Amino acid sequence: EAGVAQSPRYKIIEKRQSVAFWCNPISGHATLYWYQQILGQGPKLLIQFQNNGVVDDSQLPKDRFSAERLKGVDSTLKIQPAKLEDSAVYLCASSLAPSKHEQYFGPGTRLTVT
Amino acid sequence: EDKVVQSPLSLVVHEGDTVTLNCSYEVTNFRSLLWYKQEKKAPTFLFMLTSSGIEKKSGRLSSILDKKELFSILNITATQTGDSAIYLCAVENNAGKSTFGDGTTLTVKP
Repeated sequence: EAGVAQSPRYKIIEKRQSVAFWCNPISGHATLYWYQQILGQGPKLLIQFQNNGVVDDSQLPKDRFSAERLKGVDSTLKIQPAKLEDSAVYLCASSLAPSKHEQYFGPGTRLTVT
Repeated sequence: EDKVVQSPLSLVVHEGDTVTLNCSYEVTNFRSLLWYKQEKKAPTFLFMLTSSGIEKKSGRLSSILDKKELFSILNITATQTGDSAIYLCAVENNAGKSTFGDGTTLTVKP
């Protein structure tokens, strides 16, 4: 079974630039999550999708972050404009359904904002 | 706001030692507590606990939940260098939202 795919693996941008991350979940997984993990901290949920609908985006900084999952499969997370404090690893995870608690994580994208 | 606190923040042991990692939590509408192991990048699932007092076991790793006192422990016996990682605890509420702790960094020296 193929795992969760993410790209790019690494990205370096200057502040005020924009950046986009892509995630392809495990086939058949209805629930998709984006997390931000700052060095030394645990993952923080940014947004949770159930198919193509948003379940929770209470911690997404909506003035600069956006995410979509138009066809209920892969998803993109965008930051525009980026700030220094956005430097982090962005993890995508998926699970079979909300009732299936185990989440499968992708390898993450390490973003450095200079 | 849901909250998860893990202790210790870091731990250094020698191969063969036994370690206990702690996780305490505050969550509205608790559904489950999960343990993950994070090496390099992606966390991988270890255990899910929903009921108090029932130990989950996988090889040298075991975990138990106390829903009255709102904590869980993860035990690793006969540690090996391959156990070196960050161990993350997360709680899930009835809406399916997970809140993670900041992890315990375990280093096992040969």
